[in-house]
Amino acid sequence: GAGVSQSPSNKVTEKGKDVELRCDPISGHTALYWYRQSLGQGLEFLIYFQGNSAPDKSGLPSDRFSAERTGGSVSTLTIQRTQQEDSAVYLCASSLWDADTQYFGPGTRLTVL
Amino acid sequence: EDQVTQSPEALRLQEGESSSLNCSYTVSGLRGLFWYRQDPGKGPEFLFTLYSAGEEKEKERLKATLTKKESFLHITAPKPEDSATYLCAVQATLGGGSYIPTFGRGTSLIVHP
Repeated sequence: GAGVSQSPSNKVTEKGKDVELRCDPISGHTALYWYRQSLGQGLEFLIYFQGNSAPDKSGLPSDRFSAERTGGSVSTLTIQRTQQEDSAVYLCASSLWDADTQYFGPGTRLTVL
Repeated sequence: EDQVTQSPEALRLQEGESSSLNCSYTVSGLRGLFWYRQDPGKGPEFLFTLYSAGEEKEKERLKATLTKKESFLHITAPKPEDSATYLCAVQATLGGGSYIPTFGRGTSLIVHP
């Protein structure tokens, strides 16, 4: 079946602009995670959605970052007033339930000029 | 705080030269340990989940083992196509909480023909 998809695959933006990154999880997966991966660094947890529960936002680095998940499926990560330090690969993962194996999308490479 | 340390950071092998990657972890209670493979420009690809000390899993030339403090990913007679970054992650048992995994920084493996 179809895996996790993310769009766009690449995004180049200017400092101060807002960007939206999209994630389509595997159908039927109730848990969805966003991570950030910078060069030479591990995966940094950003936010986690599980079913209809309130999201765990404990990993968001600042209030410029927000995310929503509509209808328990598609998720959008929004970064407002982008900064150069926001440049990274943003990865989305979904799992059947919250303690299950995560399956990752291909990522969105964000470059802030 | 959960911690995951992977070693070595980088490993170069000749084709056919077997070796092991290490993942040391500290976690209050282990729910699961995950191994992923990540190719350049792609999202992590799931390899194995281990749940309890003494457990072993195999897939082609890869074998993962688990103790109470560390996990090893053994690569037997590697081929150039095994070249990738291998990521380890631990998921803790949190009473009533979420299951957000902690990832290591990975081991970059290059297998020369």
